[in-house]
Amino acid sequence: GAVVSQHPSWVICKSGTSVKIECRSLDFQATTMFWYRQFPKQSLMLMATSNEGSKATYEQGVEKDKFLINHASLTLSTLTVTSAHPEDSSFYICSARGWGGTQYFGPGTRLLVL
Amino acid sequence: GDSVTQMEGPVTLSEEAFLTINCTYTATGYPSLFWYVQYPGEGLQLLLKATKADDKGSNKGFEATYRKETTSFHLEKGSVQVSDSAVYFCALSEVGGNEKLTFGTGTRLTIIP
Repeated sequence: GAVVSQHPSWVICKSGTSVKIECRSLDFQATTMFWYRQFPKQSLMLMATSNEGSKATYEQGVEKDKFLINHASLTLSTLTVTSAHPEDSSFYICSARGWGGTQYFGPGTRLLVL
Repeated sequence: GDSVTQMEGPVTLSEEAFLTINCTYTATGYPSLFWYVQYPGEGLQLLLKATKADDKGSNKGFEATYRKETTSFHLEKGSVQVSDSAVYFCALSEVGGNEKLTFGTGTRLTIIP
């Protein structure tokens, strides 16, 4: 139980295009999901907290117009990287908060912007 | 603000060796503490957790004890296996609010046969 999926697992795009990443809780409902960014050989940095039916809460330094988050249902949150640039290349990971507050993580999405 | 400091890697051990990965934390309140593991090519998985002082979390032979007096949550295993090779992250979550996680930088562990 408590499986979280992400799609796509990797994506390559041209600079200036937008990329949407989906995060799904497959066997539980999650009112709260989190989006993280992981740089090579570094830790996960929280980008934003996504609450179902309301606006996301962004961490300091994260541009909300750059990283659009939508949490339209109890099992789906999406992260859209708008007008992507090479510096946005990274590993994006989502998590969904399950019963008891434990976060269950997706396998991550590797984004490469050329 | 909250922070987690963990032992820098990489760590390389022989199979059946004893493992310790140190983790200390700074928090304003009384956080819950976690160890997550990331196997190659996979997402993070919760390994174990402890929610209050003196609690011991354990799973798959790994253990960690919540030490409030030393603000530590060191990960230990008595006899490691090749399959334990992964990156290990210590993390904390403040109780209340949205319980967001603060992670350490991760420690890469490689076990050689």
